[in-house]
Amino acid sequence: SAVISQKPSRDICQRGTSLTIQCQVDSQVTMMFWYRQQPGQSLTLIATANQGSEATYESGFVIDKFPISRPNLTFSTLTVSNMSPEDSSIYLCSANDGSYGYTFGSGTRLTVV
Amino acid sequence: EDQVTQSPEALRLQEGESSSLNCSYTVSGLRGLFWYRQDPGKGPEFLFTLYSAGEEKEKERLKATLTKKESFLHITAPKPEDSATYLCAVQAGSSDGGSQGNLIFGKGTKLSVKP
Repeated sequence: SAVISQKPSRDICQRGTSLTIQCQVDSQVTMMFWYRQQPGQSLTLIATANQGSEATYESGFVIDKFPISRPNLTFSTLTVSNMSPEDSSIYLCSANDGSYGYTFGSGTRLTVV
Repeated sequence: EDQVTQSPEALRLQEGESSSLNCSYTVSGLRGLFWYRQDPGKGPEFLFTLYSAGEEKEKERLKATLTKKESFLHITAPKPEDSATYLCAVQAGSSDGGSQGNLIFGKGTKLSVKP
C-alpha cells in the first residue's frame, strides 16, 4: 500500500496568515484528497486533486481559501489562506492507490490564534 | 443524499467484554465500505474493505460484516490497546457507472477498553 508523508505535523499560526501543508506519496497515485477534521467530528472532504487538472471543491469550500496544487503523481499541497480561529482543525491528505484502497497521511494539527 | 451513521458514539468496555459497532449507510451504488481505526493525533489507519452484502473479513480480534444497509465491526475479547476511534466510510458510485472517488465518513465510535 502507498505510504504518505505529511508535513508539518502541527503548527500554531497567527490569524490572517497562510499555511501550506505538503503530502508526499511513495508511489504514483491518480487521485488525492484533502479532508478537514474538526474537534470531535469526522472527516469532511475539502477537495479532490487530480494531476494535470484543477482541483474539485466540495460545497462550502472555495479555491481562494484553500488553494491546492498537484504538480505530479506523487505530491500535493493544500494552503489554508487568510486564517481565522475557525480554521483550527486537523487537515488530512489521502490517496487512492487503486488496488489497495485509501491511505491517509498522519495529519496536520492547525491552531490559529 | 449519501449518508453514513455510526452508533454508538462512544462505547466503554471492560477488557475481554466483546461487543459490536454499527455503521448504517444510505448510498447510491455502493462501491465499497471501509473501516478505519484512528488514534488521537494520528491519521486513520486502514482496517477493512467490504464490497458486497454477505462479505466478512477478520483481523486479530476484529471482524467486519456487511449487509445491504449496514456493517458491523465485531470486537472479540478486546484489550486496552484496542481503544481508539473507529471510523466507517463508504465509496459511492456515480451516475455514469464509475466511482465518485472520495470516501464519505461517519462520525465514528470512540471505544475505550478498561483493564
